[in-house]
Amino acid sequence: DSGVTQTPKHLITATGQRVTLRCSPRSGDLSVYWYQQSLDQGLQFLIQYYNGEERAKGNILERFSAQQFPDLHSELNLSSLELGDSALYFCASRRGGGYDSPLHFGNGTRLTVT
Amino acid sequence: EDQVTQSPEALRLQEGESSSLNCSYTVSGLRGLFWYRQDPGKGPEFLFTLYSAGEEKEKERLKATLTKKESFLHITAPKPEDSATYLCAVQGGGADGLTFGKGTHLIIQP
Repeated sequence: DSGVTQTPKHLITATGQRVTLRCSPRSGDLSVYWYQQSLDQGLQFLIQYYNGEERAKGNILERFSAQQFPDLHSELNLSSLELGDSALYFCASRRGGGYDSPLHFGNGTRLTVT
Repeated sequence: EDQVTQSPEALRLQEGESSSLNCSYTVSGLRGLFWYRQDPGKGPEFLFTLYSAGEEKEKERLKATLTKKESFLHITAPKPEDSATYLCAVQGGGADGLTFGKGTHLIIQP
């Protein structure tokens, strides 16, 4: 168990809808990362937060947004969903603001858009 | 742009048959190379971090090595429970998260 908690585990929704994925990082970790994993693309970095502030953006669509709250949990909001958004979404946390320690991943949210 | 290429894409071994997985990378200012194991339906599980060429790390039947251009994950006398997808990732000098390869899907047959 990595200590990173993601909810829900599964989500099935229709095209055009909006969903929110939630992540609680490991105790003491200040950085939260969001990744998308699809069969053909592998793990793709979406966005990073450190202690409540956005720090870096990767391949995140404008329809997607995220935030990190004062208690350090994070939410990823996906709107105007399309079939191609179906994927596994992972949250990971890291101890501090540095970049040489490993990321610890949750078990993901499987999103299915029908 | 940081890039990671893993080979082979898939590997099937008999129990006890040792082998190596390859991870080639290009990165601007390597801060660390990471190996993960991922089981179906689960998140990646951290295995090793390597920071500089020549470094080696071991854990049970796994040994990771690093050169300036690639890393190897050596699996000695594997068991069926070692079956998983093994992911390699690099952290470059930018603020982005880890850049991952697509992984090697390893199957160990009893």
